[in-house]
Amino acid sequence: GAGVSQSPSNKVTEKGKDVELRCDPISGHTALYWYRQSLGQGLEFLIYFQGNSAPDKSGLPSDRFSAERTGGSVSTLTIQRTQQEDSAVYLCASSRLAASYNEQFFGPGTRLTVL
Amino acid sequence: SQQGEEDPQALSIQEGENATMNCSYKTSINNLQWYRQNSGRGLVHLILIRSNEREKHSGRLRVTLDTSKKSSSLLITASRAADTASYFCATDARGNQGGKLIFGQGTELSVKP
Repeated sequence: GAGVSQSPSNKVTEKGKDVELRCDPISGHTALYWYRQSLGQGLEFLIYFQGNSAPDKSGLPSDRFSAERTGGSVSTLTIQRTQQEDSAVYLCASSRLAASYNEQFFGPGTRLTVL
Repeated sequence: SQQGEEDPQALSIQEGENATMNCSYKTSINNLQWYRQNSGRGLVHLILIRSNEREKHSGRLRVTLDTSKKSSSLLITASRAADTASYFCATDARGNQGGKLIFGQGTELSVKP
């Protein structure tokens, strides 16, 4: 596709339920990043994948959060037993390489609301 | 922890005026980038300045970087109503691998026609 796509665009869930958020990066981009944007915390790095290397999970806020990237392309961010503080916009980005000089291209985000 | 802090938090100007936003950060960096966000959704990359560069231009955008003061500024000249958006600086801290970005809190720019 032309850009990074994310689905769903909006997700409303009840506290305690699990959710899955999907990201389709730009074709050929080997690096994929997840960020979270919430009112109190601004934009926070969560996790990134580079090719077949082990992901950098240093930004995940708790063990309820996990992510995988299948076949080096599509990624799924899973939040188990959602809490109200998980409400935020979850942004995915991809870049050609996971390197500091590479521009990251962002998707439109998934707005998650936990009731 | 947030690397960047931006000021002002909000800026309101008239069309045609220049807008200046500032960003400060705490640790040594590989590069600093500026992004724009409309309506709280996806971010658009504007410009990247490397740690060994002092100034960079792109169209109506001018970015400066002062590594001794750990600060950067973004200048938008001859602003337009369409420039209304939130602007974020993002740093890639030296020693990081993979290019993960640390974002500032952002400046909300409003350009009135």
